[in-house]
Amino acid sequence: EAGVVQSPRYKIIEKKQPVAFWCNPISGHNTLYWYLQNLGQGPELLIRYENEEAVDDSQLPKDRFSAERLKGVDSTLKIQPAELGDSAVYLCASSFGASGASTDTQYFGPGTRLTVL
Amino acid sequence: DQQVKQNSPSLSVQEGRISILNCDYTNSMFDYFLWYKKYPAEGPTFLISISSIKDKNEDGRFTVFLNKSAKHLSLHIVPSQPGDSAVYFCAASAKQTGANNLFFGTGTRLTVIP
Repeated sequence: EAGVVQSPRYKIIEKKQPVAFWCNPISGHNTLYWYLQNLGQGPELLIRYENEEAVDDSQLPKDRFSAERLKGVDSTLKIQPAELGDSAVYLCASSFGASGASTDTQYFGPGTRLTVL
Repeated sequence: DQQVKQNSPSLSVQEGRISILNCDYTNSMFDYFLWYKKYPAEGPTFLISISSIKDKNEDGRFTVFLNKSAKHLSLHIVPSQPGDSAVYFCAASAKQTGANNLFFGTGTRLTVIP
């Protein structure tokens, strides 16, 4: 069974440029997460989708970040414009999505490493 | 405010010996705890979990212990193997924060020396 797929794996851009990351979750997983991982830190949740609905985007910096999950499958995370401090690894995860269950295991993709120059 | 803490950034053990990785948390509402393992250039991989109704969960060479009164959990790997060398993240979740929002520690880099 294929895992969570993310692309690109690496991206280098200049500041003020836009950038987009793509995620394809595990087939049948209804819940999708985007995490930010800074160097030396653990992942931090940016946004969580249940099907196509963003049910928690409280940690998403909405002035420059946006996300969408059309048709409740693939998702795209966008930054416009990128800043130097956005350099990090952006991880996508998915889970089956048993509503209200805190025991729903999340499976992570390999991440996109963004470098903003 | 770091709600999940891993105070040891690194740990080295000899192959065949026990590895003990520690994790502390501050939020008493956390009811589910997980350990993830991460190799370079890969995403975190789920390793083992424990519910707050238990104090121990075992899966092969991996055992997680939970001490709710101390708000502490640990991961034991016995025997340690060179392939276990990776960064280990402790994570926790609570129903009140959302169905499945995970809070991660900063990770511990385990090196198993052959």
